[in-house]
Amino acid sequence: GDSVTQMEGPVTLSEEAFLTINCTYTATGYPSLFWYVQYPGEGLQLLLKATKADDKGSNKGFEATYRKETTSFHLEKGSVQVSDSAVYFCALSDQETSGSRLTFGEGTQLTVNP
Amino acid sequence: SQTIHQWPATLVQPVGSPLSLECTVEGTSNPNLYWYRQAAGRGLQLLFYSVGIGQISSEVPQNLSASRPQDRQFILSSKKLLLSDSGFYLCARRRISGTVEAFFGQGTRLTVV
Repeated sequence: GDSVTQMEGPVTLSEEAFLTINCTYTATGYPSLFWYVQYPGEGLQLLLKATKADDKGSNKGFEATYRKETTSFHLEKGSVQVSDSAVYFCALSDQETSGSRLTFGEGTQLTVNP
Repeated sequence: SQTIHQWPATLVQPVGSPLSLECTVEGTSNPNLYWYRQAAGRGLQLLFYSVGIGQISSEVPQNLSASRPQDRQFILSSKKLLLSDSGFYLCARRRISGTVEAFFGQGTRLTVV
């Protein structure tokens, strides 16, 4: 079945540091890929997405490129801020799966210190 | 706009008591609806999804049930709560066609004591 594997956390960085959170996936079809962010005590918000190979999703300085050859969708940001502290989830949607469900990774806790 | 309402935001219930969490969506018709649970320090577990009124698929056997009495209403229930039912419950919706991303409600923090 479909699965998503995320880099284990927690990750602690200083402000303005470079961020990479690794994400790899397995899927039977041609999935769409997503990064969601969860701030403390809140629901999940879509951060960015990519729907086909070589697409790059970007939002709020974050980027991720859909790499079919390595089945990866790593999240990057060049300079993190304290306000980026949150839990980040990688997810995929395989359109061939009944119910069109989203499969999530375990989440990576990011803490950015001033 | 397309909005998801979940209530209550927080809930403390004794073991053995019943549960009813409600999720309603606005701005879209015939959405796919989902209930996820997030245990402390862990990822998201899909509990139920629904592709239409009265249609419920269960992902894992458990102490919970779901119902969809109306197109835009999705209810999570339990007859008798267990301590292990504690967690953060999230309702989500997706359109059947077009954009494939899911949108989430603000969640309900359930503590079973």
